[in-house]
Amino acid sequence: GIQVEQSPPDLILQEGANSTLRCNFSDSVNNLQWFHQNPWGQLINLFYIPSGTKQNGRLSATTVATERYSLLYISSSQTTDSGVYFCAVESNQGGKLIFGQGTELSVKP
Amino acid sequence: NAGVMQNPRHLVRRRGQEARLRCSPMKGHSHVYWYRQLPEEGLKFMVYLQKENIIDESGMPKERFSAEFPKEGPSILRIQQVVRGDSAAYFCASSTTPNTEAFFGQGTRLTVV
Repeated sequence: GIQVEQSPPDLILQEGANSTLRCNFSDSVNNLQWFHQNPWGQLINLFYIPSGTKQNGRLSATTVATERYSLLYISSSQTTDSGVYFCAVESNQGGKLIFGQGTELSVKP
Repeated sequence: NAGVMQNPRHLVRRRGQEARLRCSPMKGHSHVYWYRQLPEEGLKFMVYLQKENIIDESGMPKERFSAEFPKEGPSILRIQQVVRGDSAAYFCASSTTPNTEAFFGQGTRLTVV
């Protein structure tokens, strides 16, 4: 099956710093989503981005499907950005999402 | 438009009891997915259902676990004779069709004592 690898596994930032999170996947996909799991465990949809670039406020994402990777950019980080960021892909067979192991982000004031 | 609703949010069961987890998808969504998140781990797919049909159950443990999504009412994930290793967060997601954006509920945190 498809393998999804995220890097880095952990990241500590000072408030105001920028960061880039990476997601590599091993096969072609029909769907790619980025999620933020906040400290209370809730999964928040960030981007639905099977290809191309999208921006939402301080966050943006780019997926290069032909090269099998996606990047999530966080600019001017805030303490509320802390939590775990997951990348998940849906295979060509359709249906289930396959999650990476996540990047745990901690933003210090 | 209400999101994906899961209940209960927290569930405590003694070893050997049954756990029933409920999920109501977003309005207009007929595809439901269940995932499990063990402590300090990522989310693992369990089962994919459409109304009255199980489409993919490749992630379901072979014994004690079952899922349904009846014509009327919520989807139910049922765990019989729970063991301590079943303690986890169980998330439900829904979408309009496969290959479209999936939205997650707040999860049910099951603790087996």
